[in-house]
Amino acid sequence: QKEVEQDPGPLSVPEGAIVSLNCTYSNSAFQYFMWYRQYSRKGPELLMYTYSSGNKEDGRFTAQVDKSSKYISLFIRDSQPSDSATYLCAMNVGGSNYKLTFGKGTLLTVNP
Amino acid sequence: DTGVSQDPRHKITKRGQNVTFRCDPISEHNRLYWYRQTLGQGPEFLTYFQNEAQLEKSRLLSDRFSAERPKGSFSTLEIQRTEQGDSAMYLCASSTNSNQPQHFGDGTRLSIL
Repeated sequence: QKEVEQDPGPLSVPEGAIVSLNCTYSNSAFQYFMWYRQYSRKGPELLMYTYSSGNKEDGRFTAQVDKSSKYISLFIRDSQPSDSATYLCAMNVGGSNYKLTFGKGTLLTVNP
Repeated sequence: DTGVSQDPRHKITKRGQNVTFRCDPISEHNRLYWYRQTLGQGPEFLTYFQNEAQLEKSRLLSDRFSAERPKGSFSTLEIQRTEQGDSAMYLCASSTNSNQPQHFGDGTRLSIL
């Protein structure tokens, strides 16, 4: 079992839909959780950065962390064609353990 | 803030050749990371520098790979005697400290003929 599991999709939604992306993890020591967006042939771009459990909102994006269930989510409201990309969840222990462990990424297409 | 810069963006080489990639981190970021990403996978950690000191190397980094960060500024990643399995996107990231998010460059895509 990989440390971080993420459904690779692909996921296809109509413009304006609410998108839900999820990751599960097995290492209970993970404390910092990130979502990155990656367009084709580009590097990952940081979208959300959260510490510990709870919700964090930034514009159309909401990140949720449930440490008791070892489950994180990213919600995208009013999705746009420009949101079409691969979404990667990432996490690390923090402190002296800086290595990011990534999911495989979910390929999202938002159709106009 | 000009972001993390990587050069070249794409490198095509024949099997057995040596290649070198460069990464310029965000200025004043003292931590620099290298990752490798293959098609359909998330990035995997290769190595990490704090200033000029290389503090950790993944077991993915065979002895054909070497990374340096002279003077704690830019970094280079060299692969000697390239193999087909080295074909991947090599990503560089930087951060101010380990509890701050890592920011990535656009990577160097390596293709081995």
